Amino acid sequence: AQSVAQPEDQVNVAEGNPLTVKCTYSVSGNPYLFWYVQYPNRGLQFLLKYITGDNLVKGSYGFEAEFNKSQTSFHLKKPSALVSDSALYFCAVRDSRGNTPLVFGKGTRLSVIA
Amino acid sequence: DGGITQSPKYLFRKEGQNVTLSCEQNLNHDAMYWYRQDPGQGLRLIYYSQIVNDFQKGDIAEGYSVSREKKESFPLTVTSAQKNPTAFYLCASSGFGGYTGELFFGEGSRLTVL
Repeated sequence: AQSVAQPEDQVNVAEGNPLTVKCTYSVSGNPYLFWYVQYPNRGLQFLLKYITGDNLVKGSYGFEAEFNKSQTSFHLKKPSALVSDSALYFCAVRDSRGNTPLVFGKGTRLSVIA
Repeated sequence: DGGITQSPKYLFRKEGQNVTLSCEQNLNHDAMYWYRQDPGQGLRLIYYSQIVNDFQKGDIAEGYSVSREKKESFPLTVTSAQKNPTAFYLCASSGFGGYTGELFFGEGSRLTVL
């Protein structure tokens, strides 16, 4: 079975500081990993994904994520946070084996304080 | 513009009534999904369909029903058997890139049972 964990319900960071939102996963085969962002009362927007290749993935709005196979992690990062980055962030995983839908974590609420 | 349209955005229902949420996409995607979002619980999969006239139950299908008669449409019916239907419902689709492709989400429908 595939699963994903986001260990922090809330992350607070000062504007201009680097931010990290953590994600760990569990799959049988190789993982396909995704990050999404959600603003209040809106749908989810895709930020970036890791399928294969370079462990550092760059995405939208200056976000990036690092795939670490030994630690089964896929943490989301940004060098300098903006107040407008405040939102709910979801990590998701799909197992490369088999025909299974995407599984989402419970989400991490990011607050960037001016 | 291509995208996913969910309607209505807000819906109120009396206990014991069935209600149908609409989801239409013009992205020419094969797969469509319905997720339920509750505070602190992330996204949970209700039903998904990978091709017309076929669909599978997700993790929380009880009390819900779907149909997939057209590629563009994947309506969700919340029946009176669903014991706690008040939630935010998200429809998504995917197509390009197969299982490595990201999901595209609608703006959601918020259902409140009075």
